[in-house]
Amino acid sequence: GNSVTQMEGPVTLSEEAFLTINCTYTATGYPSLFWYVQYPGEGLQLLLKATKADDKGSNKGFEATYRKETTSFHLEKGSVQVSDSAVYFCALAPRGYSTLTFGKGTMLLVSP
Amino acid sequence: NAGVTQTPKFQVLKTGQSMTLQCAQDMNHNSMYWYRQDPGMGLRLIYYSASEGTTDKGEVPNGYNVSRLNKREFSLRLESAAPSQTSVYFCASSEARAGQMRNEQFFGPGTRLTVL
Repeated sequence: GNSVTQMEGPVTLSEEAFLTINCTYTATGYPSLFWYVQYPGEGLQLLLKATKADDKGSNKGFEATYRKETTSFHLEKGSVQVSDSAVYFCALAPRGYSTLTFGKGTMLLVSP
Repeated sequence: NAGVTQTPKFQVLKTGQSMTLQCAQDMNHNSMYWYRQDPGMGLRLIYYSASEGTTDKGEVPNGYNVSRLNKREFSLRLESAAPSQTSVYFCASSEARAGQMRNEQFFGPGTRLTVL
């Protein structure tokens, strides 16, 4: 079946530190991959996406590269801010389906 | 545009009571979804509707029913609430058509439901 595995949190960092949140997936065929972010008390919103192998999604200083060989889509940011504190979800959309499969989420806490 | 709206924002029920969660979108999207979010479990799909007039079960459909009232509205009903249904419920919509999911899903702000 389809599944997404994310590193467990919380991830705690100081402002301006480098961020990596690992995400690996299992899926038949070549899915589309997404990162969503959820700020406290809100719904999820799309952060970035990649629809084919070697694509790099980027937004607001965050990046993730679709790696077919390692079935991974790790999220990175060079310098985090306090305002980046949120829960981050990796998700996949299998080919031929109109639904998303989410990972369990990783909480990021950034201190000044 | 309001995007995806959900009502109510908060609700407390007693075991055995029924209620309907309402969701509406103003983006003319084909597909709509209901999720529940529980600590440590991420988001799990309850039901979805790939187009007006169709609904399909997701990962955790037991204890729920849905209605795609029209293209804009997709409601979730709990016929006899149980404490295990205490959760945060999110509605989402997307341009995805049946068999295709390349575009993002837009989420509502959520309904926080407690069943005593």
